[in-house]
Amino acid sequence: AQKVTQAQTEISVVEKEDVTLDCVYETRDTTYYLFWYKQPPSGELVFLIRRNSFDEQNEISGRYSWNFQKSTSSFNFTITASQVVDSAVYFCALSEMGSGNTGKLIFGQGTTLQVKP
Amino acid sequence: DGGITQSPKYLFRKEGQNVTLSCEQNLNHDAMYWYRQDPGQGLRLIYYSQIVNDFQKGDIAEGYSVSREKKESFPLTVTSAQKNPTAFYLCASSIDRGRGTDTQYFGPGTRLTVL
Repeated sequence: AQKVTQAQTEISVVEKEDVTLDCVYETRDTTYYLFWYKQPPSGELVFLIRRNSFDEQNEISGRYSWNFQKSTSSFNFTITASQVVDSAVYFCALSEMGSGNTGKLIFGQGTTLQVKP
Repeated sequence: DGGITQSPKYLFRKEGQNVTLSCEQNLNHDAMYWYRQDPGQGLRLIYYSQIVNDFQKGDIAEGYSVSREKKESFPLTVTSAQKNPTAFYLCASSIDRGRGTDTQYFGPGTRLTVL
């Protein structure tokens, strides 16, 4: 069965600290996609990144970086020099690429990040 | 501007009433999805549609119904059969027909409360 686990329910940091959000996934597919979304207090999910299973290169976008390791089935997200505006719920998700190819996303439970000034 | 709109933002319903949530997109996307989010939980798929006039049940379809008569519209009806409908409902769309390769983009959501 496909599953995404975000073991950290809540994280609280002080502004300018670095913070890493963990994501561990399970899948039998050899081809799959992983995603991170941000959900600010307004509620809308904002897309951050998509990574396919054949691309293990780390990705950096400004203060955001992602570490994908197939060997440990992890896709962790790091925010460098956190800011108050980073406070949100962050979701990791896995696409279902098995028979049917529905495009269905399997979401983790989410990690609530609070950045204090 | 291109995007996904959901209305209303807040919705209150009495027990026993059906209610319809609107989702419209002008991104020319083929696939559309409805998710439900409960407090402290991730999103769960209710229904999805990969093409006009076709839709499939997701993981928690009981008590819900949808239609896809137009490419840009995918309304969700929460029926009286849904035992615990109070939740946050999110609509999403993606450019492809749900092959799993493309990114899903989300609307702002509708918060439904049953009184």
